Amino acid sequence: AQSVTQPDIHITVSEGASLELRCNYSYGATPYLFWYVQSPGQGLQLLLKYFSGDTLVQGIKGFEAEFKRSQSSFNLRKPSVHWSDAAEYFCAVTTSGTYKYIFGTGTRLKVLA
Amino acid sequence: DAGVTQSPTHLIKTRGQQVTLRCSPKSGHDTVSWYQQALGQGPQFIFQYYEEEERQRGNFPDRFSGHQFPNYSSELNVNALLLGDSALYLCASSFAGAGNTIYFGEGSWLTVV
Repeated sequence: AQSVTQPDIHITVSEGASLELRCNYSYGATPYLFWYVQSPGQGLQLLLKYFSGDTLVQGIKGFEAEFKRSQSSFNLRKPSVHWSDAAEYFCAVTTSGTYKYIFGTGTRLKVLA
Repeated sequence: DAGVTQSPTHLIKTRGQQVTLRCSPKSGHDTVSWYQQALGQGPQFIFQYYEEEERQRGNFPDRFSGHQFPNYSSELNVNALLLGDSALYLCASSFAGAGNTIYFGEGSWLTVV
């Protein structure tokens, strides 16, 4: 079955520290991968996406993600976290053969001053 | 450039009642998808509308129905509300075509009492 796993429910980092949020997917076809961010009570904002080509993709707000096909992973990274990055982060996958996105259960990021 | 807009933002309904949620897609988009996000979960795909037709449906009962209008706006209707229908309902729009990036609205918070 198609699925997305975000192993970390909560992550706490200090402001200025680096960040890595993990995402693993299980999908039969070539995946299109996304990271979205959701602030409390808000909708989802697209951070970045991978369709094909360079496996390291850059997004907004200084985020990047790396697609590793051999590990079925698409981890999100940021070199230096800001207090405003505190939010919930969702990894999602789709493919050219469907109109449905499958989302992980999210990782809630807390940033310590 | 207007993004995806949804109304109402919050509403409270009683079990057994019916609710209608509305969505206007991002300018230029012709496809609307609806997702349900329960507390602490990732969004779950309800269905997608294109050319005024439902073209893919997720694992939701027939109590969930929708409509798309000629101006591409959409409605989500839920009949015979259950307590478990309490959730954030997210509308997302995109260009037609599988795998295209979807952009979310702020959502409609539905509480069923």
